[in-house]
Amino acid sequence: EAGVTQFPSHSVIEKGQTVTLRCDPISGHDNLYWYRRVMGKEIKFLLHFVKESKQDESGMPNNRFLAERTGGTYSTLKVQPAELEDSGVYFCASSQDLARGTQYFGPGTRLLVL
Amino acid sequence: RKEVEQDPGPFNVPEGATVAFNCTYSNSASQSFFWYRQDCRKEPKLLMSVYSSGNEDGRFTAQLNRASQYISLLIRDSKLSDSATYLCVVNQPDTGRRALTFGSGTRLQVQP
Repeated sequence: EAGVTQFPSHSVIEKGQTVTLRCDPISGHDNLYWYRRVMGKEIKFLLHFVKESKQDESGMPNNRFLAERTGGTYSTLKVQPAELEDSGVYFCASSQDLARGTQYFGPGTRLLVL
Repeated sequence: RKEVEQDPGPFNVPEGATVAFNCTYSNSASQSFFWYRQDCRKEPKLLMSVYSSGNEDGRFTAQLNRASQYISLLIRDSKLSDSATYLCVVNQPDTGRRALTFGSGTRLQVQP
C-alpha cells in the first residue's frame, strides 16, 4: 500500500512569491492533516480535513496560508505571499476515520524562503 | 510553558546500553499518548502508543503516569539503528480535536 506522498520534496523561493504544496494521503483515509516544523522548533499542527471539509484550522498562522482538499482526495497548501519565517518542513499526515486512528506522515516538503 | 516537554539530549550511549527518555505534558485533557521516531531529514514514524497500564514492544517499554502527567520510554539493549530523535506526542481525541501535539524531541546516538 502506498504511503502518504508529498510534492515537491524541496522548494526554494524568494520572499513575496507564491508556493503550492501538495499532499496525497493514503487511499481511503478521510482524515488529512498539515503540520510544519520551523527551524529549532517542534512540529506544530496547522489544520485538519475530514474528507473535503476543514475540521480544525486553529493552527493556521495567518491568512497567507490557504489549504484546500477539493473532492476529498489530495490536498494543497498555498502560501501567498511567502515570508522568510515560513521556511521550514511541511508535513502532511493521514488517518482512517477512527477515534484514535494512527496518523501516518509523508516525507515532508522542505521550504526555504530567501 | 510548552504543552509537551522533553529533554533535547543528545543521549550518547554505547551499544547494548539501556536508555530512558522522559516527557511531561501540560494538558490534563490529553487522552492519547505516543512515541514517534524521526530519523534525520525524514518524517516522524509511530514507534508505539502508550497505554495507562504500560506496554512493551520488544526492546521498547512505554509507561504513562496520568497523575504526574508524565510519559517515559525505555530502550533496552540499544542498537546502532536506534539512533534517531524520539518524539513524545499527545492528543485529545475525546474533545473532538485530532491534532497531535509534539514535543521537540530527544536525540539518541548509539555508539559502537
